[in-house]
Amino acid sequence: EVQLVATGGGLIQPGGSLRLSCAASGFTLSSSYMSWVRQAPGGGLEWVSIIYIGGSTYYADSVRGRFTISRDDSKNTLYLQMDSLRAEDTAVYYCARVPSFFYYYMDVWGRGTTVTVSS
Amino acid sequence: EIVLTQSPDTLSLSPGERATLSCRASQSVRSSYLAWYQQKPGQAPGLLIYGTSSRASGIPERFSGSGSGTDFTLTISRLEPEDFAVYYCQHYGSSLYTFGQGTKLEIK
Repeated sequence: EVQLVATGGGLIQPGGSLRLSCAASGFTLSSSYMSWVRQAPGGGLEWVSIIYIGGSTYYADSVRGRFTISRDDSKNTLYLQMDSLRAEDTAVYYCARVPSFFYYYMDVWGRGTTVTVSS
Repeated sequence: EIVLTQSPDTLSLSPGERATLSCRASQSVRSSYLAWYQQKPGQAPGLLIYGTSSRASGIPERFSGSGSGTDFTLTISRLEPEDFAVYYCQHYGSSLYTFGQGTKLEIK
């Protein structure tokens, strides 16, 4: 079964750092593009970042320079390093697979991990 | 950056009725990069439609997508109780994604 499990969320003070992990099973992470999407409490979906097969990375303006997406192919795991966290980063963070390099849709989503930035 | 605007924000219908959800882009977009997702409370989003009109695996035929240019539509031909949820359109372009603000489909 193809599955993504996101972990690492928690309560963190403003200015702090947190690293989210997304463990993949049932498929090889390195053969897909992978993305992070977040959802603030009561809000809509906001795209955060994507990593391409070759390792190129892209970010939303709201997180560029503070967040870093990466993956460990040996562990089949995706990461999101979040630094200089702000209250507005409070959200449920989902990892998602982008299997098609023609359509770019997200077909498998992890359950989500909650990040709360508060003092 | 392309902005996606969904309408209406909330749609109140009864089971058995037809639902029409709209997604309008701020500029013309590539149809192959337009997708729709369904999200139920407490759950991750799930893919419904990709490439404007292709149903994802396991999605019932009552869900259909259409459109081109700046105007796209998700249609649910006959609502089932499990269809009441929030729906998002999504666009990919220039190495970034944009989501619409969502349409909440609620039971009337």
